[in-house]
Amino acid sequence: EADIYQTPRYLVIGTGKKITLECSQTMGHDKMYWYQQDPGMELHLIHYSYGVNSTEKGDLSSESTVSRIRTEHFPLTLESARPSHTSQYLCASSGPDSREKNEKLFFGSGTQLSVL
Amino acid sequence: KNQVEQSPQSLIILEGKNCTLQCNYTVSPFSNLRWYKQDTGRGPVSLTIMTFSENTKSNGRYTATLDADTKQSSLHITASQLSDSASYICVVSDRGSTLGRLYFGRGTQLTVWP
Repeated sequence: EADIYQTPRYLVIGTGKKITLECSQTMGHDKMYWYQQDPGMELHLIHYSYGVNSTEKGDLSSESTVSRIRTEHFPLTLESARPSHTSQYLCASSGPDSREKNEKLFFGSGTQLSVL
Repeated sequence: KNQVEQSPQSLIILEGKNCTLQCNYTVSPFSNLRWYKQDTGRGPVSLTIMTFSENTKSNGRYTATLDADTKQSSLHITASQLSDSASYICVVSDRGSTLGRLYFGRGTQLTVWP
């Protein structure tokens, strides 16, 4: 159903490395989001974008950065990964749905990041 | 403080049985409530979206109810299948039809045994 893609699905890296998590959607949605989720815990919003060249920090303090140069692409970058960054990162986009009067939120499959 | 609380934290049932998951929220103002299913290692997938005026909504074997007065919602799963094993997340939005601030519950981990 959802045309939103994240790569890689799994990533194991060493401390201090720079990484970029990719997220792309083909639904033409203006709004995109990055969430962080630890096992058994709720999703926390770390970044969001309401359109090209628009990015904002979310509720959870994060050392990551994002960019939105194209509507369909919303990459997240960690300049220097640390073990505390180990988590699942979920990308999402939202837009109108033909069957619902409310905007629908679509999630990617996530990237499981492990920093050693 | 705006919160979403789900119960039980985890649940094990036998295949073919029914179950009900609970969601209580204190989010105000309230706009809509969403239930998501999240398979292990995957992103959440939308099951239902309910607004203030909707009391019940079905999606196949999933039926969600909403009592906006008591700020409670439930998700009822009928004739459970092994593929229903997943985490079920309740999400409350504080704005109108365009997506507002979202408040996530921690989910109920459902395991269906054969």
